[in-house]
Amino acid sequence: DAGVTQSPTHLIKTRGQHVTLRCSPISGHKSVSWYQQVLGQGPQFIFQYYEKEERGRGNFPDRFSARQFPNYSSELNVNALLLGDSALYLCASSPRDRGLIQPQHFGDGTRLSIL
Amino acid sequence: KQEVTQIPAALSVPEGENLVLNCSFTDSAIYNLQWFRQDPGKGLTSLLLIQSSQREQTSGRLNASLDKSSGRSTLYIAASQPGDSATYLCAAQGGSEKLVFGKGMKLTVNP
Repeated sequence: DAGVTQSPTHLIKTRGQHVTLRCSPISGHKSVSWYQQVLGQGPQFIFQYYEKEERGRGNFPDRFSARQFPNYSSELNVNALLLGDSALYLCASSPRDRGLIQPQHFGDGTRLSIL
Repeated sequence: KQEVTQIPAALSVPEGENLVLNCSFTDSAIYNLQWFRQDPGKGLTSLLLIQSSQREQTSGRLNASLDKSSGRSTLYIAASQPGDSATYLCAAQGGSEKLVFGKGMKLTVNP
């Protein structure tokens, strides 16, 4: 079975640009979460989506947005990129069966570098 | 607000040692506690998950324990090998999908 897949694997942008990162959850998983991991730190929660609705938001500016599609895949968008946005962006999915909280399964991430 | 701490930040040991990795959290109202492994430049691999009603979980050479009352979890690695070298992260999960991570502990096992 395919795990959580993220694209692209690496991305280089310049300050002020916009970026879109993509995530496909494990088949049957309806919940997708996004995390930002700056070098040397643990991942920080950005968003959680379930059934195409935002269910949780971390302490990130409005430049960060996301959405979930009918097939449960998700996009993370970041506008007006800053040097500090350079990080590994991780996507996680879980089944979320009958409202029960389930373990998170992570993809390999997208490495975003801002010049 | 949940805060998760892992001390020390790095550990270097000779091959064959039994290791204890510590994780502490401030809010005992957790749903589960999860341990992950991260290799350089890679994503997170789940090692063990302990539900709040459980005391410990085991997988091969790994054993994780949970003491909610004291806000602590421990990952025990038996007979460490060079292939165990990685960063180990613990994460607490409350009443939502959100995971709160520690900063991780970088483990180096020397042959």
